[in-house]
Amino acid sequence: AQKITQTQPGMFVQEKEAVTLDCTYDTSDQSYGLFWYKQPSSGEMIFLIYQGSYDEQNATEGRYSLNFQKARKSANLVISASQLGDSAMYFCAMTGSGNTGKLIFGQGTTLQVKP
Amino acid sequence: EAGVVQSPRYKIIEKKQPVAFWCNPISGHNTLYWYRQNLGQGPELLIRYENEEAVDDSQLPKDRFSAERLKGVDSTLKIQPAELGDSAVYLCASSLGFGTVYNEQFFGPGTRLTVL
Repeated sequence: AQKITQTQPGMFVQEKEAVTLDCTYDTSDQSYGLFWYKQPSSGEMIFLIYQGSYDEQNATEGRYSLNFQKARKSANLVISASQLGDSAMYFCAMTGSGNTGKLIFGQGTTLQVKP
Repeated sequence: EAGVVQSPRYKIIEKKQPVAFWCNPISGHNTLYWYRQNLGQGPELLIRYENEEAVDDSQLPKDRFSAERLKGVDSTLKIQPAELGDSAVYLCASSLGFGTVYNEQFFGPGTRLTVL
């Protein structure tokens, strides 16, 4: 069975500094996708970044980058130059087996950016 | 482009009462998902639709939960009767399709249900 583990319930970062949110996953599939979503207090899940298991380069989207280490089964999110608006809950997720479209989510990490 | 629309945003009911949630996906998105998110947890899939067909409802508690997606567009999720443990945020998401590992899902704002 697939599983996503986020071991940091809460994180603090100073404004303008970089922060890394940890994510490890478990799957027996060879082909899978990894996602990061942001959930602000308003509740909506906002897609941030995607990494495919066969992608050789780490994904980047603006201030977001995904540090993908396949052998270690980790997919950490790096946010550079943190902003106050980055304060939110962050979820790591992966596609379920069989390409069904189902997303398996971790328990999330709460990030607070300090001014 | 309009996003996924859900209503109501908040609902408070007494236990044993029925409740329904409505979702309008992004235009053209064939796949629709209902997730439940308990407090402090990540979302968990309840049911997935491909057009009007429910293709994955293995996590849906069928004794009290039901869902439908008429004409392959809007969807309604119903609970009858509600129990205290049903208090959660119910998220609707949609995507263009499935069948690939890249399947970006667009989420609505959710309905926060409180059962008293």
